[in-house]
Amino acid sequence: GENVEQHPSTLSVQEGDSAVIKCTYSDSASNYFPWYKQELGKGPQLIIDIRSNVGEKKDQRIAVTLNKTAKHFSLHITETQPEDSAVYFCASLGGYQKVTFGIGTKLQVIP
Amino acid sequence: EPEVTQTPSHQVTQMGQEVILRCVPISNHLYFYWYRQILGQKVEFLVSFYNNEISEKSEIFDDQFSVERPDGSNFTLKIRSTKLEDSAMYFCASSKTLLAGAQGNEQFFGPGTRLTVL
Repeated sequence: GENVEQHPSTLSVQEGDSAVIKCTYSDSASNYFPWYKQELGKGPQLIIDIRSNVGEKKDQRIAVTLNKTAKHFSLHITETQPEDSAVYFCASLGGYQKVTFGIGTKLQVIP
Repeated sequence: EPEVTQTPSHQVTQMGQEVILRCVPISNHLYFYWYRQILGQKVEFLVSFYNNEISEKSEIFDDQFSVERPDGSNFTLKIRSTKLEDSAMYFCASSKTLLAGAQGNEQFFGPGTRLTVL
């Protein structure tokens, strides 16, 4: 089955700096890659996603890149703010419904 | 904005008891899912459901688990005889479509039910 590796597990950045989280996947059939943000006590919230026919996607301060050949994808957050502090999960979906999550990255933005 | 809701937010039960976790998916979504997250670990897929049938399930989803859509709005997860290791957050999710490559396949998650088995 699919295996998604995510790193780092924790990340501390100064407010205003950029944060990068990287993931790799194993199943070459995977073609949809969502990113979720989970705040304490809440469910995962979809923040951005990318499909396999696109190499990069941007939404304001958040961008995601995908390299299908290398089977890795990354989340980039620029101009980080304290409210960006949360756990971020990468995930992959191939074929049918089953989303496979990474282990999560706890991002702390220091004011 | 429409959202997935779940009840209760926290359920405490004794080992061996049955529990039912409830979810109301987004109204125009057709595909429903349950995931669980043991404290400090990743979110794990349990089961997907479409057209009143299970369409896929993981190895975690054994005979102790069942899902049902008892009416037009609710989607439930039943654990027949809870074990200590069932303690986790359980998330319900829903999506419009199914296939990975299709628009509308984004899965939206509810806030979760924290299940504590004593």
